[in-house]
Amino acid sequence: DADVTQTPRNRITKTGKRIMLECSQTKGHDRMYWYRQDPGLGLRLIYYSFDVKDINKGEISDGYSVSRQAQAKFSLSLESAIPNQTALYFCATSQTHRDRDRSTDTQYFGPGTRLTVL
Amino acid sequence: QQQVKQSPQSLIVQKGGISIINCAYENTAFDYFPWYQQFPGKGPALLIAIRPDVSEKKEGRFTISFNKSAKQFSLHIMDSQPGDSATYFCAAKGAYNFNKFYFGSGTKLNVKP
Repeated sequence: DADVTQTPRNRITKTGKRIMLECSQTKGHDRMYWYRQDPGLGLRLIYYSFDVKDINKGEISDGYSVSRQAQAKFSLSLESAIPNQTALYFCATSQTHRDRDRSTDTQYFGPGTRLTVL
Repeated sequence: QQQVKQSPQSLIVQKGGISIINCAYENTAFDYFPWYQQFPGKGPALLIAIRPDVSEKKEGRFTISFNKSAKQFSLHIMDSQPGDSATYFCAAKGAYNFNKFYFGSGTKLNVKP
């Protein structure tokens, strides 16, 4: 979906290096997410943010950090990359329903970043 | 602990056949169950979704069947086509403390011509 962009699309790095993956969206959504995808494990949530001042850990946040620089930008950092962080990383966005108790918001995913840590 | 369990991991179906993918969940706080479709090199995209107040939802060749008492839901693809070959993810979401998505492990569907 061109409304959610990720950079870079592919990245090869070495163990111990710090890297940043960036996500931008033009959908005007307030919620943003970072997932990693591994074969046989599906999508696992790393971090999520419900607005600029709200950052929450997901299932697998160890070794990662995030920054919500603006409503439209959400960056994921690997402080010291290790080989088992080799995966496909997706950013996603959604909009809080006007009835905050409802949970039917659709997530829109970016095209993904393929990260290889040697 | 995996919140949503999906099976099978892979599926091969002949063109025109029916593809069936199953998911199960434990948490009764979930109240929204989407299916996402992912083509190679692309991000997942919403295909169809259901809330537990109905037992079935149909959109074209795609149908979700929902069994609230068994805490199971499934995706049926009728008249499967080679263009349906993709990876499919089920997911679940709830309100309050569970107001984020939990995804199944994915099913890679291959529809043979």
